[in-house]
Formats: sequence, C-alpha cells, structure tokens
Amino acid sequence: DAMVIQNPRYQVTQFGKPVTLSCSQTLNHNVMYWYQQKSSQAPKLLFHYYDKDFNNEADTPDNFQSRRPNTSFCFLDIRSPGLGDAAMYLCATSRDGAVDYNEQFFGPGTRLTVL
Amino acid sequence: AQRVTQPEKLLSVFKGAPVELKCNYSYSGSPELFWYVQYSRQRLQLLLRHISRESIKGFTADLNKGETSFHLKKPFAQEEDSAMYYCALKGGGTSYGKLTFGQGTILTVHP
Repeated sequence: DAMVIQNPRYQVTQFGKPVTLSCSQTLNHNVMYWYQQKSSQAPKLLFHYYDKDFNNEADTPDNFQSRRPNTSFCFLDIRSPGLGDAAMYLCATSRDGAVDYNEQFFGPGTRLTVL
Repeated sequence: AQRVTQPEKLLSVFKGAPVELKCNYSYSGSPELFWYVQYSRQRLQLLLRHISRESIKGFTADLNKGETSFHLKKPFAQEEDSAMYYCALKGGGTSYGKLTFGQGTILTVHP
C-alpha cells in the first residue's frame, strides 16, 4: 500500500547527542511536512518542503534542521537534543494542485526520548 | 495569526446518543477547516473537510463563519467512534501548507 513510513518508531538519544529521524513516502507527493507533538498538545508544524524548497516556520528552533535528498525521503536532524525536545515527531505529505482541498497523509510518528 | 480551540479535552457519551465535538477558530482570511481523527494505535487521518460538505462515518461538520465554528456532529454515536479528534485549520489560499491543530478531544463511546 502507498503510505508514509517513519523510522525508527522509537528513538532514544542522550542530551546533546545529534539524532536523525527518517521519513519516506510512496505516494509521490511533492510536499512533505514535519510536525512536533509534545505530550497532551496539538501537533505543531516545524517546517515543510515544497519539492526541494525548504520552508521553515518562524518559531522553529535552529537546533532543528531538515534534508530532502529526493522526492521520497525527508530527514529531521536535531543537532543537540535537549530534554524539551522529547516528543512525537510526525511526518506528513500532500500533493499540491489536487482538485479537492489538500489532505495531508501522516506517518505513524517517531517517539523521541532524550536522556 | 491562526488559532484553533477545542474546549473539551474529554467527551464521554453512550452508544446511540448524539455527539458534538466543538471547534472554534480564529483566522483573518478565508479558512479551510478539517477534522482529523486518530484511532487507537493508528496514524492521524483525515475524517472530513468543510469544502466537501460530506458525511463520513455518519459525521458532519458545518462551517459557521459568523460564529467562527466548525463543530463535528453525529446523531447516533457508535463504540468504534472512540478516538482522538483534532480540528485543524489551513489558511493562505494555496492547496498545500501549514495545518494549525486544536488540542484535540478524546471521545469515548460507552456501550
């Protein structure tokens, strides 16, 4: 089935140790998003890619970076994770120009723990 | 700035009872509103969108611009409706872009 895949599902890292989360999609969608969801809070957009164009949200910390080497893959890099970065990270995709208003397709998420 | 408020964190009803999940929004332009649902151990997925004026799994939602609301309703709740429901807003006028989510409402339907 076409879908959005996130690896790993659970990631444990140490305070200050760089970590990379991975997202891949088989939908061939041109837009990919990264959301952060802390416990009992709403998902919050960090940034998105429109094709190769990177769009950062104004309040996303510099500690968070992203790479999109091709249409299928997108990575979230946290350069120096702090305890406050522990959260569920959701990847989503959508297709620009859809006739119907754009649905975002979500992956299962990666739960990041920072020790 | 765009903002979505779901005033109820938890909502419990009995099977067969009507259910209404409240959503209010703040946005200066013309919004696109969505309801997303997350069933237990499943990923977040779209339930319905205001532009389609559709009924999905018996749920409907009407955009009320005067009251800036987009409440989700179902006349007869079923146990399988138990889930986390998020109201979301997209602004900007493009067919892609940032979703601003509400805090979510956990709906529990008791047998």
